[in-house]
Amino acid sequence: ETGVTQTPRHLVMGMTNKKSLKCEQHLGHNAMYWYKQSAKKPLELMFVYNFKEQTENNSVPSRFSPECPNSSHLFLHLHTLQPEDSALYLCASSRDRDSNNEKLFFGSGTQLSVL
Amino acid sequence: AQSVAQPEDQVNVAEGNPLTVKCTYSVSGNPYLFWYVQYPNRGLQFLLKYITGDNLVKGSYGFEAEFNKSQTSFHLKKPSALVSDSALYFCAVRDTPSYGQNFVFGPGTRLSVLP
Repeated sequence: ETGVTQTPRHLVMGMTNKKSLKCEQHLGHNAMYWYKQSAKKPLELMFVYNFKEQTENNSVPSRFSPECPNSSHLFLHLHTLQPEDSALYLCASSRDRDSNNEKLFFGSGTQLSVL
Repeated sequence: AQSVAQPEDQVNVAEGNPLTVKCTYSVSGNPYLFWYVQYPNRGLQFLLKYITGDNLVKGSYGFEAEFNKSQTSFHLKKPSALVSDSALYFCAVRDTPSYGQNFVFGPGTRLSVLP
């Protein structure tokens, strides 16, 4: 157990649905991340929050909308997704974004299928 | 810009034999290097890291990695493989100074340990 919890573990949604992914950490970390893991592709960084402020948006389409209400919680709101958005979405946290040698702690991910 | 290469998509090794999973990197400054492992239906788990000091780094589950600056490599090794080591392995690098820098992950290498 890494201390980072993601819900739901699996999600199937249609292209017109709206859903949200949730991530929670009780490690006292101040940085939280969303990554996308697709088959046969490198891990893609989507968003970074540091002390609740979004510091990075890696050209992610607007149908993905992150929210970080506090340092312990991170959401990814989904709407009008496309089938190619089907992937494993991983949340991670670290002490803060810029500490030199801090490692990432990952959740187990949400396996998303868009029909 | 920083980058990571893992030249092998798949590594097969017999149980009890030594294993090596290769990683090479490119950074502007001095690298911080990490290995993560991903078991099926799970997020990534930290194995070990190199920050400074001894070039041979020991990590979890009997794994170790050797930092070679001249060859810009950070290969993961284990003297005697177990079937339970079968998983997806990711090398990651972070450039220094790390302010504003994100982790960059390699594409992953699937390790299969055969009984």
